[in-house]
Amino acid sequence: EAGVTQFPSHSVIEKGQTVTLRCDPISGHDNLYWYRRVMGKEIKFLLHFVKESKQDESGMPNNRFLAERTGGTYSTLKVQPAELEDSGVYFCASSQALTTRLFFGSGTQLSVL
Amino acid sequence: GESVGLHLPTLSVQEGDNSIINCAYSNSASDYFIWYKQESGKGPQFIIDIRSNMDKRQGQRVTVLLNKTVKHLSLQIAATQPGDSAVYFCAENSGGSNYKLTFGKGTLLTVNP
Repeated sequence: EAGVTQFPSHSVIEKGQTVTLRCDPISGHDNLYWYRRVMGKEIKFLLHFVKESKQDESGMPNNRFLAERTGGTYSTLKVQPAELEDSGVYFCASSQALTTRLFFGSGTQLSVL
Repeated sequence: GESVGLHLPTLSVQEGDNSIINCAYSNSASDYFIWYKQESGKGPQFIIDIRSNMDKRQGQRVTVLLNKTVKHLSLQIAATQPGDSAVYFCAENSGGSNYKLTFGKGTLLTVNP
């Protein structure tokens, strides 16, 4: 069974540009989550989807971040315009139900120069 | 691989020794705790979890101990192997939901052959 996959694995962009990260959850997992770890900080929750609906986006840092999950399958996280402080590793995770364990992808390393 | 950039606590052990990794949490309302292992270039991988109605849980070569009185969590790895070298994170579900995890900073475990 394929795990959670994220694309790209690395992205280097300039300040002010736009970047879109993609996450494909484990097939059949209705719950999809985004987390991130910026340099020197802990891994922090960004948001949670149940199918195509946003259940909790309390961790989204500001309105430069937009997450979507059209059709309830894969999800994208767009950063527009990117700022230097957005650099870090963005992790996606999925779970079958709210009470089951999360499976994480390998992350996207984002570098904003 | 991922650029960590964190000044992590480190633990260095000899192959075959037992390892103990500690974690303190702050929210007395947390009722679910998880240990994750993260190898270079990969996302957090579930190791073992424990609910607050337990104080000990064992897996294969790993044991998690929970002391709610002092809000302390530990991970014990028996007969540590070189493949155990990784960053270990504890996480708690502050707020009562499994998905909205609060992660610790992590501990870098290095196993010397």
